[in-house]
Amino acid sequence: GENVEQHPSTLSVQEGDSAVIKCTYSDSASNYFPWYKQELGKRPQLIIDIRSNVGEKKDQRIAVTLNKTAKHFSLHITETQPEDSAVYFCAACAMDTGRRALTFGSGTRLQVQP
Amino acid sequence: DVKVTQSSRYLVKRTGEKVFLECVQDMDHENMFWYRQDPGLGLRLIYFSYDVKMKEKGDIPEGYSVSREKKERFSLILESASTNQTSMYLCASSFIGTGVEKLFFGSGTQLSVL
Repeated sequence: GENVEQHPSTLSVQEGDSAVIKCTYSDSASNYFPWYKQELGKRPQLIIDIRSNVGEKKDQRIAVTLNKTAKHFSLHITETQPEDSAVYFCAACAMDTGRRALTFGSGTRLQVQP
Repeated sequence: DVKVTQSSRYLVKRTGEKVFLECVQDMDHENMFWYRQDPGLGLRLIYFSYDVKMKEKGDIPEGYSVSREKKERFSLILESASTNQTSMYLCASSFIGTGVEKLFFGSGTQLSVL
């Protein structure tokens, strides 16, 4: 089955700096890669996703890049703000074959220092 | 707004008890999922279901079973609760639209098994 590894487990940045979280996946059939944000005491929510036919996707201050050859994808947050502090989860899924269920990484706790 | 409701926010049970965790969604989603969330381990898939009366094992199904008698309701059952099942349990539902799949999570049930 799919295995998703996520690094780092914790990340502390100064407000205004950039933050990068990296994930690798094992199943070459995976073609859908979402990122979820979970604020303290709240439920995870989808913030951005990418399909394997696209190399990069941006939404305001967040972007995701995908390297299919290396089975690697990353979340980039620019101009970080205190409200970006949360746990971020990457995930992978083979939407067209096999089970359509997300396999999540272990999470990254991002702390943005004001 | 999509609502995924989990019946209990906190639950304390004794070892050996049979435990039922209930989840109801109001968006007519076909897909429903049960994950458990543990620090440093991320979200791990227990069971999922694509339709009424169908179920699929996730990555950690041992010690659990599920029931989906109605489309809107997906129950997780701990046949004989053990201390290593102390965890946060998250239910989610999803639809498939335009090739992507977005999970809507419930607020979670923090289960303590003593």
